[in-house]
Amino acid sequence: ETGVTQTPRHLVMGMTNKKSLKCEQHLGHNAMYWYKQSAKKPLELMFVYNFKEQTENNSVPSRFSPECPNSSHLFLHLHTLQPEDSALYLCASSQEDGTGRGVSDTQYFGPGTRLTVL
Amino acid sequence: GDSVTQMEGPVTLSEEAFLTINCTYTATGYPSLFWYVQYPGEGLQLLLKATKADDKGSNKGFEATYRKETTSFHLEKGSVQVSDSAVYFCALKGGSSNTGKLIFGQGTTLQVKP
Repeated sequence: ETGVTQTPRHLVMGMTNKKSLKCEQHLGHNAMYWYKQSAKKPLELMFVYNFKEQTENNSVPSRFSPECPNSSHLFLHLHTLQPEDSALYLCASSQEDGTGRGVSDTQYFGPGTRLTVL
Repeated sequence: GDSVTQMEGPVTLSEEAFLTINCTYTATGYPSLFWYVQYPGEGLQLLLKATKADDKGSNKGFEATYRKETTSFHLEKGSVQVSDSAVYFCALKGGSSNTGKLIFGQGTTLQVKP
């Protein structure tokens, strides 16, 4: 596997279910991100992890819970979601130098998980 | 705060037509500027970038020049192909009020017809 992978690619869940999205990066990067992409809306940054520490939480509802057990893996745990949470969830990674400006400005994205909440 | 504004789509062109997708930004300091592309069913891929004023990024026939005087980073291609049909996102990173995050525009859908 190369680059950034995400599983599952598609997920349909009810509002009372609990599920998890998984992201894995094979690039040796130290920062990982969750984005939400909804129709007709700009890409929304949800969470940022630098060096496994969460450094950003953009007012995301608590029904979304991230977990970063190591620098290669990132999870998004989902519970009691709403239909408006249906979207494409994208994971990305980058190599950061700790100052915020980045050794590399480039973020590498996975293919996304298409989530539908019924 | 920092922001990016792109022209609204969809943009529909015939094959071999000239493409321009406008992008302007608001940021303090000296951000880096990017164009990302998202093909159907895929995640975003970096298309090109420029890190300082007057730099020109280029890739796969696409070009964009970092214009600080007009705060713009317009994407151009001389002759589009059907395979260029995708959503294009302009983004910035590293303005003085935005040290680590990529700020994206809303995306512009390009449809190229044979």
